[in-house]
Amino acid sequence: SYVLTQPPSVSVAPGKTATIACGGNDIGSKSVHWYQQKPGQAPVLVIYYDSNRPSGIPERFSGSNSGNTATLIVSRVEAGDEADYYCHVWDNSSDQDVFGPGTTVTVL
Amino acid sequence: EVQLVQSGAEAKKPGESLKISCKGSGYSFRSYWIGWVRQMPGKGLEWMGIIYPGDSNVKYSPSFQGQVIISVDKSMTTAFLQWSSLRASDTAMYYCARRQAYYDNIDYWGQGTLVTVSS
Repeated sequence: SYVLTQPPSVSVAPGKTATIACGGNDIGSKSVHWYQQKPGQAPVLVIYYDSNRPSGIPERFSGSNSGNTATLIVSRVEAGDEADYYCHVWDNSSDQDVFGPGTTVTVL
Repeated sequence: EVQLVQSGAEAKKPGESLKISCKGSGYSFRSYWIGWVRQMPGKGLEWMGIIYPGDSNVKYSPSFQGQVIISVDKSMTTAFLQWSSLRASDTAMYYCARRQAYYDNIDYWGQGTLVTVSS
């Protein structure tokens, strides 16, 4: 089955940029989606199809995907961005959805 | 307005059965896949399986195949997740989620159903 990897944690100072990687074999050939989950809440979609923002998501959130790594970038980080972030793909070879293990973003 | 409203929290004993629900509204229920996601306490999201209400086609994640049953009642616009014999390890928050047809992302989530299994 397809496996995604993410760093367990990322720490960033307010106003700086947080970069969250999602690794997978040839992930660049897949559509990658990102979700933000705050404590006690359901996840929220922040990026779909590699780099697209749903309505209502700030422009500070962006994404890219190439080779074996997809990346979520949060610019000008705010205290409210502190959350867990998960990447998600649908693997066509196994016809299965897969989540990454999640990355906890801490705002210093 | 698209909504997925899940049934309330459950407290069960090991060996008991359980069926939780997810009612969709505000969209064409039969036209979108509905998935179920487990989140154990303090852990990450795990994909359990997905159902297409239009034809009740179900796909299970290998980790959950044979452990749960996913079903749907189109007339009630409701999806279900059920267990025949719960274990303590089934204690978790369970989310239903609508998956977009074109890009395969989840665009709407239910509020979650907390299932606690304890003797």
